[in-house]
Amino acid sequence: EAQVTQNPRYLITVTGKKLTVTCSQNMNHEYMSWYRQDPGLGLRQIYYSMNVEVTDKGDVPEGYKVSRKEKRNFPLILESPSPNQTSLYFCASSLTGGEQFFGPGTRLTVL
Amino acid sequence: GENVEQHPSTLSVQEGDSAVIKCTYSDSASNYFPWYKQELGKRPQLIIDIRSNVGEKKDQRIAVTLNKTAKHFSLHITETQPEDSAVYFCAASRGYSTLTFGKGTMLLVSP
Repeated sequence: EAQVTQNPRYLITVTGKKLTVTCSQNMNHEYMSWYRQDPGLGLRQIYYSMNVEVTDKGDVPEGYKVSRKEKRNFPLILESPSPNQTSLYFCASSLTGGEQFFGPGTRLTVL
Repeated sequence: GENVEQHPSTLSVQEGDSAVIKCTYSDSASNYFPWYKQELGKRPQLIIDIRSNVGEKKDQRIAVTLNKTAKHFSLHITETQPEDSAVYFCAASRGYSTLTFGKGTMLLVSP
């Protein structure tokens, strides 16, 4: 089954404790992206990647890192999480930068 | 960068009525305009998209129109049904790069 998976789905952590949210797709898509969704603000792009070893900043990259060492995986790294990074995070993939297939989301709470 | 404004933020209609959601964008280089539907607790899913070389596109009860000169595009849903109730997001992109979303419209269709 073609899909985008994210782990964990829910995470509660404390300020400053490094964490990684994994994202994997099995559709051989070149384009992958991370978004955060906050009430009243819609979806905001954090980082995107057009291919292996090619990443670029989206609209809200501060406080986040990404890597793309393999085509199928695009982890999101928060090296020192803060409470303002409490949000719902979505990973997405696309064949050509067109239709994006979203993962199920990761709800992160930073205390 | 790109800025996408979406109106209205909430829209209530009676079943069978039409619904129209409007978006404006700022970057004249944007050439891809998708619309996503997000049901409560679910991930966003593409419902229709349009590219800048096309003025209108229809898919059954859903249509999107694009006015490049005025830099605005609209989603039209005819014969609305209760299952159309969801949050709808417009977005704009230069294609294979950043994707900027509007803040969303909550559509409520009452039986």
